[in-house]
Amino acid sequence: AQSVAQPEDQVNVAEGNPLTVKCTYSVSGNPYLFWYVQYPNRGLQFLLKYITGDNLVKGSYGFEAEFNKSQTSFHLKKPSALVSDSALYFCAVRAFTGGGNKLTFGTGTQLKVEL
Amino acid sequence: DARVTQTPRHKVTEMGQEVTMRCQPILGHNTVFWYRQTMMQGLELLAYFRNRAPLDDSGMPKDRFSAEMPDATLATLKIQPSEPRDSAVYFCASGLILDTIYFGEGSWLTVV
Repeated sequence: AQSVAQPEDQVNVAEGNPLTVKCTYSVSGNPYLFWYVQYPNRGLQFLLKYITGDNLVKGSYGFEAEFNKSQTSFHLKKPSALVSDSALYFCAVRAFTGGGNKLTFGTGTQLKVEL
Repeated sequence: DARVTQTPRHKVTEMGQEVTMRCQPILGHNTVFWYRQTMMQGLELLAYFRNRAPLDDSGMPKDRFSAEMPDATLATLKIQPSEPRDSAVYFCASGLILDTIYFGEGSWLTVV
């Protein structure tokens, strides 16, 4: 069975500082990894994905994520945080297993960026 | 701008009533998901369709929930009878196999 762990329920960071939101995964086969963001009372919005190729992937709003196969991690990063980045962030993994390829989400990390 | 459309956006209903939520996936997408989000449980996968065929509904309470895709442009999630513990946000999402899936804005259900 595939799974995703987001070890931090909340991450606090000052505006202008770099931010990291952690994610580790467990899956059989090659993982397809995703980050989504959810603003209050909204649906999940796609940020970025890793399918294959360069381990550093860039996404929307200046976010990037680094795929590390040996550590089975896919941490989300941004060099300089903005107050508007405050939201709930979900890491997800998808892999082709048997007859299905469902997307499994982590529990989410609440990011709070303060002035 | 293609998007997943969900109706209703908000629903308040009395316990015991039937609730039907509808989803129009993005045209051309062949996988459709139903997720439920609550504060306590987070995001739970309820059902998953590929090419309109149900592949996984193991997360769905079978006695009261049902999910169908009558055609490629419509997915439905029904709860009958509804209970207060069903109060949650229900998300539909669509995508292509092993690619990004895109979420709708959700159906916010309150059962009183």
